[in-house]
Amino acid sequence: SQQGEEDPQALSIQEGENATMNCSYKTSINNLQWYRQNSGRGLVHLILIRSNEREKHSGRLRVTLDTSKKSSSLLITASRAADTASYFCATGGGGSYIPTFGRGTSLIVHP
Amino acid sequence: DTEVTQTPKHLVMGMTNKKSLKCEQHMGHRAMYWYKQKAKKPPELMFVYSYEKLSINESVPSRFSPECPNSSLLNLHLHALQPEDSALYLCASSQLRGDTGELFFGEGSRLTVL
Repeated sequence: SQQGEEDPQALSIQEGENATMNCSYKTSINNLQWYRQNSGRGLVHLILIRSNEREKHSGRLRVTLDTSKKSSSLLITASRAADTASYFCATGGGGSYIPTFGRGTSLIVHP
Repeated sequence: DTEVTQTPKHLVMGMTNKKSLKCEQHMGHRAMYWYKQKAKKPPELMFVYSYEKLSINESVPSRFSPECPNSSLLNLHLHALQPEDSALYLCASSQLRGDTGELFFGEGSRLTVL
């Protein structure tokens, strides 16, 4: 069963705007990962944040983690049409090395 | 470019056919995974191999039969599938660590069962 729940399920923005996606989870974790999936393709790992970290950056990506609220957010700044994809959070921990995927957010960036 | 290669990219088969999906990685990863993904849904874990041994089978029907011939290869043998088995089948690999590592996915095999 999926642990992460992304919000919103769908997001439509204009190129140049920022996109924020949220992920909530239920049990304790060791880390949280974000993946991107272009339509009909494989998933690509974007970033991993550990449970003792609060914020992490990678290029135009900013991830935050609030373990007290059991939530994470992914911010994509200055979005581009090429950012159009589905974004999944995946939680890891609880004695398992296998991440559990949330339901995903579908992002559409209009040129 | 992905370092996990899946073949074929597309497969159409009848319910009486026997076919196989193949996956290969040369990153030295010792964990390999099969996921099934339906449209607009997250990937669902099917099988996990660690050190070439089946470690997790998520109650997958026996018409799906995994095989790990060596540390670089992972197969999924398909027999007597149903139309509802039509989906994108994703292979992934990862290093085995104390906590969760990054998953490397292939591009998937799009399966259609007629």
